[in-house]
Amino acid sequence: DADVTQTPRNRITKTGKRIMLECSQTKGHDRMYWYRQDPGLGLQLIYYSFDVKDINKGEISDGYSVSRQAQAKFSLSLESAIPNQTALYFCATSQTGTGSDEQFFGPGTRLTVL
Amino acid sequence: DAKTTQPTSMDCAEGRAANLPCNHSTISGNEYVYWYRQIHSQGPQYIIHGLKNNETNEMASLIITEDRKSSTLILPHATLRDTAVYYCIVRVASVNYGQNFVFGPGTRLSVLP
Repeated sequence: DADVTQTPRNRITKTGKRIMLECSQTKGHDRMYWYRQDPGLGLQLIYYSFDVKDINKGEISDGYSVSRQAQAKFSLSLESAIPNQTALYFCATSQTGTGSDEQFFGPGTRLTVL
Repeated sequence: DAKTTQPTSMDCAEGRAANLPCNHSTISGNEYVYWYRQIHSQGPQYIIHGLKNNETNEMASLIITEDRKSSTLILPHATLRDTAVYYCIVRVASVNYGQNFVFGPGTRLSVLP
């Protein structure tokens, strides 16, 4: 979905490096989310934000931090990357008050930590 | 969120209906059943959701049992492009904090020519 973009799409880095993954959306949604997906598994929620001043931890927030710079931008940082953070990372958005509460996902960022 | 149980994988012939079951025996009265799918490492895509009544949209139909302990997603005429992992999720549809989607391993549907 071109309305939710993620950069970079692929990244290879080394253990101990700081990495930032960025998410931008043009849907005008107030809620944004970061998920990770390990091979063959479902998605796990890392952090979510219901508006610019709101940040909440998800299931697996350890080792990650986020920043909601604006309503349209939500960044995920790995302060000191480790190999078991190798995964596919998805950003998603949704809008408060919609009947379906549908989440719209970005194309994903494939991160490899060596 | 209530836990769901889905088969790990299913096959379906192209052009036939694909029926994907989901068990959610501990679902609460205010929890909805949602279905998403994920095509080959792309971001998940919303399909449909429902509370008690059966629902239909341009993509699929959702049949929920009267006791709400299970449901079935129906793709009426499966195509090769429907090959994907299908996730059944139960959660409260509200504006409350903390009500987020929990994606389990899902069902891998393979549509065969």
